[in-house]
Parts: sequence; C-alpha cells; structure tokens
Amino acid sequence: ETGVTQSPTHLIKTRGQQVTLRCSSQSGHNTVSWYQQALGQGPQFIFQYYREEENGRGNFPPRFSGLQFPNYSSELNVNALELDDSALYLCASSFDRGSDQPQHFGDGTRLSIL
Amino acid sequence: QQQVKQSPQSLIVQKGGISIINCAYENTAFDYFPWYQQFPGKGPALLIAIRPDVSEKKEGRFTISFNKSAKQFSLHIMDSQPGDSATYFCAAGGGNAGKSTFGDGTTLTVKP
Repeated sequence: ETGVTQSPTHLIKTRGQQVTLRCSSQSGHNTVSWYQQALGQGPQFIFQYYREEENGRGNFPPRFSGLQFPNYSSELNVNALELDDSALYLCASSFDRGSDQPQHFGDGTRLSIL
Repeated sequence: QQQVKQSPQSLIVQKGGISIINCAYENTAFDYFPWYQQFPGKGPALLIAIRPDVSEKKEGRFTISFNKSAKQFSLHIMDSQPGDSATYFCAAGGGNAGKSTFGDGTTLTVKP
C-alpha cells in the first residue's frame, strides 16, 4: 500500500512568484486535505477536496487555490507569494470526507520565500 | 481565536515515566478528537482518536481521557521511552467539512 507522497520536498521562491505543490493520495482514498504548518505551530487547515470538488475551506485568502484530479491526486497553488507563506505544506488523504476519518499525512513540502 | 489549546508546550520525562499532555476546546460541535505524533522532517502520524460518547480509550501504552462537560481531553503515555521523543498534537473535528483544528503541539523529550 503506497502512502501519501508530496513533491517537491523543498522549494525556494521569491516574493510575488507563484508555486504549485503536488500530492498523491494513498491508494483507495478519495479525499485530500491541505494544511500549512508554520515553524513551532500546529497545522492549519487550508481546504479539502472530495471527489474533485472543494469540501470546506479554512481562513486562507483566494490566492490559495487547489485542484483534485480524477485519480484523486491534488495540487495546491499559491499566487503572489508573501514572506509569511514560508512554511511546511502538508497534504493528508482519507478514505472519505468528514473530520472523523483518519487522515494520513505526507512528509510535506518545505516552502521558503526570500 | 484559538479553538484548541494545548499544554504544556514542552515536557521532559524520565524513561519509564508517564507523559501527560492536555488539550481544551471551545466548539461544542467538535465530535472527533485525534492525537498525532510528529518526528522532525516527517508529517504527523495518527496515534489514537476518541469520540465524545466514551470517556477513555486505550491503545497499548497510549490512553486518551475525555471530559465532555469540561471540554478537555488528554493523552497519557505510559512507560515512556526515548523513542517516544517527538512533537505531539491534539486536534478536533466535526461534521462533513473535513476540517481538523490542531493545537500548537507539545515537544516531548524522554531521557534515558
């Protein structure tokens, strides 16, 4: 059983640029959630995708957007990067939507904004 | 407004001791309370979870205690081992929105 994989592992961008992060969900999972984890803090929910549609969004501006593909993999896109966007971005997949579903996390993408 | 408050921020325990981490929540709509363990350079991994219809759940050395009236829950790690040294996060979720709200984490160090 393949777990959740994220790419790239690390990324360095400058202010104003755009970035795309990718996530492959665990086999059999149809739901993907994205989280931002700043240094020394807990993950903060960005949004969730269930069967290719957004199913809930946290308190993040519209420049954070996402997609889910028919194979349930997902992308997180961030436009107009700001210094505060520097963080670890985590993807988690689950068998179904609903916050009572066990979430399986990838190891994240470390994004640094210069 | 932080909806899940976690304490302590850091904890040092001797090998064989009991580690206790506490969380408090505000939103009564929460109905699922997981705990995650995170090692440096890795994503969080689900340890154990509880629903509010039970007051305690035990899996191996890990126990969750849940107090619905006080809106508090805690993680107890019995016979703590150096390999348990990691950051632990409590979380809370509810409904179909899929959102989990995390605490800020507790860094546990178990000394040999």
